[in-house]
Amino acid sequence: DAGVTQSPTHLIKTRGQHVTLRCSPISGHKSVSWYQQVLGQGPQFIFQYYEKEERGRGNFPDRFSARQFPNYSSELNVNALLLGDSALYLCASSLLVAGGIDTQYFGPGTRLTVL
Amino acid sequence: DQQVKQNSPSLSVQEGRISILNCDYTNSMFDYFLWYKKYPAEGPTFLISISSIKDKNEDGRFTVFLNKSAKHLSLHIVPSQPGDSAVYFCAASALGGSNYKLTFGKGTLLTVNP
Repeated sequence: DAGVTQSPTHLIKTRGQHVTLRCSPISGHKSVSWYQQVLGQGPQFIFQYYEKEERGRGNFPDRFSARQFPNYSSELNVNALLLGDSALYLCASSLLVAGGIDTQYFGPGTRLTVL
Repeated sequence: DQQVKQNSPSLSVQEGRISILNCDYTNSMFDYFLWYKKYPAEGPTFLISISSIKDKNEDGRFTVFLNKSAKHLSLHIVPSQPGDSAVYFCAASALGGSNYKLTFGKGTLLTVNP
């Protein structure tokens, strides 16, 4: 079975530009979460979507937005890019069984470099 | 304020010996804990997890211990193999919340020497 897939794998943008990152979850998983990992840190939670609705949002500015589609794939959008947005962006999927154990499985990530 | 702490940035062990990676947390709402392994240029790979109703969970060479009173968990790898060399992240979530976001530590770089 295919795992979580993300595209593109690498991206170079300049300050002020906009970027869209894409994620396809594991088949059968209805929840998608986005994380940002900067060098030397653990992943930081950005968003979680379940059944196309936002379930949680981390401490990120409004320049960050996301959405989930009927096939449960997801997009992360970042507007007005700053140098500090350079990071590895990780997507994770899970079943999100209410009240149950929820293990998140990660994709390979998209490496974003902002110049 | 870091709610999940991995105080050892790195650990080096000999092949065949035990590796012990430690993690502390401060948020008493956390009730599910996970360990992930990460190689460079790859996403984190799920290793093993434990819920707060248990104090030990074992899967092959990997065992996770949870001490709720101390808010401490550890990952034991026995025997350690060179292929285990990677960054290990401890993560925690609160299953009773509206979302199951993971809060990660900064990671520990494990090097297993042949």
